[in-house]
Amino acid sequence: AQSVTQLDSHVSVSEGTPVLLRCNYSSSYSPSLFWYVQHPNKGLQLLLKYTSAATLVKGINGFEAEFKKSETSFHLTKPSAHMSDAAEYFCVVSDPNRDDKIIFGKGTRLHILP
Amino acid sequence: DTGVSQDPRHKITKRGQNVTFRCDPISEHNRLYWYRQTLGQGPEFLTYFQNEAQLEKSRLLSDRFSAERPKGSFSTLEIQRTEQGDSAMYLCASSSSGLLGELFFGEGSRLTVL
Repeated sequence: AQSVTQLDSHVSVSEGTPVLLRCNYSSSYSPSLFWYVQHPNKGLQLLLKYTSAATLVKGINGFEAEFKKSETSFHLTKPSAHMSDAAEYFCVVSDPNRDDKIIFGKGTRLHILP
Repeated sequence: DTGVSQDPRHKITKRGQNVTFRCDPISEHNRLYWYRQTLGQGPEFLTYFQNEAQLEKSRLLSDRFSAERPKGSFSTLEIQRTEQGDSAMYLCASSSSGLLGELFFGEGSRLTVL
């Protein structure tokens, strides 16, 4: 069985400071992992994905995430937050052999302080 | 192609009425997913189609819910005898084989049951 845990429901950072959104996963297989972003009144958008290639994955808008198998983690980071980064972020796990099993975390709301 | 579209974007109905949502996926995508999202939660998987075949249904999908994807193109999600607990955002996503679980979402259909 697969699951994903986002360790913080809310994170607040000041503009220009680093962002860290934490995600731990559980999977019986070598998973594919994703981060999606949801801005208010907008559809979910893919930020980045890990699919067993490089463990450090770069995404859009300066975000990146590192797959750490030993820690079963896939934390999302950005060196310098921008006001436009304020949104809900979802960590997602899927079994690459079963595309119907795509499981979302409960989300982390990122607040950017001026 | 302009992406995944959902209709209507908002629906307010009285308890006991039937509602139907429509999703038009990206045209070359053979996989279509329905998710439900409530406030403060991540999207919860409801059902999944590959072409016209409904391959997986969540236990969340009670017998009041039915989904179809005739001819493997657009899909409909019908809720019969709506209850207040059905109030949520209903999300549609599409994908294709080989995208390893990457989903393309519509902006959702928000249902309010009074």
